[in-house]
Amino acid sequence: EVQLVESGGGLVQPGGSLRLSCAASGFIFSSYAMHWVRQAPGKGLEYVSAISSNGGSTHHVDSVKGRFTISRDNSKNTLFLQMSSLRTEDTAVYFCVKGAGHSFYYYGMDVWGQGTTVTVSS
Amino acid sequence: QSALTQPASVSGSPGQSITISCTGTSSDVGGYNYVSWYQQHPGKAPKLMIYDVSDRPSGVSNRFSGSKSGNTASLTISGLQAEDEADYYCTSYTNSSPWVFGGGTKLTVL
Repeated sequence: EVQLVESGGGLVQPGGSLRLSCAASGFIFSSYAMHWVRQAPGKGLEYVSAISSNGGSTHHVDSVKGRFTISRDNSKNTLFLQMSSLRTEDTAVYFCVKGAGHSFYYYGMDVWGQGTTVTVSS
Repeated sequence: QSALTQPASVSGSPGQSITISCTGTSSDVGGYNYVSWYQQHPGKAPKLMIYDVSDRPSGVSNRFSGSKSGNTASLTISGLQAEDEADYYCTSYTNSSPWVFGGGTKLTVL
């Protein structure tokens, strides 16, 4: 069974940093692209970042470019999201999502983790 | 990249059919056959219901079906059941993002 377990969320002040992790199991992690999607309280889903299966290609939505960095450690089956210069509008549940193929181009997203909550507030 | 347009809410009675639309542009929905639909119950993670416009993952009821015409994709749920009450989101591949979500539709089973 595919499992994705996020961790690392919490309360942080504006301008602060956090590192989210996503532990994957039940599939060959190194063969699939991975994504981060967030959901602000009471709002819809927002695509955040993606990384190819070998980590060689990444994408970040414009609102987080220069502040967030997606990465992965295929030897440890773990996905990361390093977040810095956090803003109040970054407050959301962050979901780790398995891609349906090796690339995040054309291949969609299939299995979602339960999410980790990030709250940016003073 | 602007979000895809979905109706804020739809409703139907048990046993009926409903359709949720997802409207984009030729740069996303209309340009690619890479539209997916997700179901999200309150406080839960989204679940993939339809991918590549009309394909169903293993285990998803055949009451769920997807289609596309021009820049609009649609999710149809037939034989509505109480358990179908949830939020539904579409997503499409785009030539810029590379993925964009719809704003979500709340389905109420009356």
